[in-house]
Amino acid sequence: GQNIDQPTEMTATEGAIVQINCTYQTSGFNGLFWYQQHAGEAPTFLSYNVLDGLEEKGRFSSFLSRSKGYSYLLLKELQMKDSASYLCAVRYYGGSQGNLIFGKGTKLSVKP
Amino acid sequence: DAGVIQSPRHEVTEMGQEVTLRCKPISGHDYLFWYRQTMMRGLELLIYFNNNVPIDDSGMPEDRFSAKMPNASFSTLKIQPSEPRDSAVYFCASKLRMNTEAFFGQGTRLTVV
Repeated sequence: GQNIDQPTEMTATEGAIVQINCTYQTSGFNGLFWYQQHAGEAPTFLSYNVLDGLEEKGRFSSFLSRSKGYSYLLLKELQMKDSASYLCAVRYYGGSQGNLIFGKGTKLSVKP
Repeated sequence: DAGVIQSPRHEVTEMGQEVTLRCKPISGHDYLFWYRQTMMRGLELLIYFNNNVPIDDSGMPEDRFSAKMPNASFSTLKIQPSEPRDSAVYFCASKLRMNTEAFFGQGTRLTVV
């Protein structure tokens, strides 16, 4: 079966660095997405990893280790506007569930 | 493009009533998805369409739920009769191709009292 685990909540300080972890157990893994969702809004795409290693995009980076079933999202120079939920989503081969399963999200609170 | 457009943004209805949620995907996108989000269960896929054809509806909770996509620019999700446990935020999303990122609409917050 498919399962995605990520911490429910995290707190960090403005200007700091925070790492949000995601572990997954899937068969037919075919890529991992990170989405950001502010309260009351729609999820928006942040990053995509299909090969092992680090993908950097401005203040945000995402890492993937396929052998370990592990990914993390790294947020640098935290800003208050980064307070949001961060959703890890795994894409896999196969026809069910639209090819993408979402974790329940990590709610990040950035404090002054 | 204005993005994925959903209506209404908020819906409050009484138990037993029919509810219809609407979605206009991004023009040219071949895939359309309906998700439901709750605190307890997170974001769950209900059904998705490819070129207007339903591909997988295994996530639809029960027969009270139905979805249609009569053309490439419009889809509906209907709940009849609605129940309080259907209260959630319902998102519509579209993709250009299966192996690309999904773009989400702003969601419909449904409250069934």
